[in-house]
Amino acid sequence: DAGITQSPRHKVTETGTPVTLRCHQTENHRYMYWYRQDPGHGLRLIHYSYGVKDTDKGEVSDGYSVSRSKTEDFLLTLESATSSQTSVYFCAIRAVDGNSPLHFGNGTRLTVT
Amino acid sequence: EDQVTQSPEALRLQEGESSSLNCSYTVSGLRGLFWYRQDPGKGPEFLFTLYSAGEEKEKERLKATLTKKESFLHITAPKPEDSATYLCAVQAVRNNAGNMLTFGGGTRLMVKP
Repeated sequence: DAGITQSPRHKVTETGTPVTLRCHQTENHRYMYWYRQDPGHGLRLIHYSYGVKDTDKGEVSDGYSVSRSKTEDFLLTLESATSSQTSVYFCAIRAVDGNSPLHFGNGTRLTVT
Repeated sequence: EDQVTQSPEALRLQEGESSSLNCSYTVSGLRGLFWYRQDPGKGPEFLFTLYSAGEEKEKERLKATLTKKESFLHITAPKPEDSATYLCAVQAVRNNAGNMLTFGGGTRLMVKP
């Protein structure tokens, strides 16, 4: 594994509650990403970070926010969870070399009831 | 808009029966094409990067090839342990800020003994 830890691994929450997912890396990589994976849609980018306090939106960012206060940690927050946000969330990291591949964590399975 | 389409969605093979997975892509300037393997409950695991048409990469029973419109993942004499979902992703030249990847929906491969 590429030194990526996601927590929690599983979470069940109720509609309308805030949820924060954590990604921690030990590789000191500059780039970090949050993807969601759903049947029929594949992996879709939510937000990404290109440095401490530097973040930007991906293709499915509505309803999500992120923060990166340290190189090693990238947080994904659902301000008010909805059932459509039930999914598997993956964090990925990438070295500064633009041709290097993404390396993924093992995901967080989130269920919003 | 970048697009990646993988076919077939699912493929069942007998052990030893060679076959190929297809990844068709549309991107305005390919920077790299990536293949990943994903096991149930795990994050995608990097396999190959291809950069230009005509390039080939091999790893054990897997061989990836690239043309200007598609990539193939050839599996020679597969074993049951090759069963997994195989994902293809592209990175466009213009995505320098985030080095973002666009993923296809994947091919689920099942190899029976």
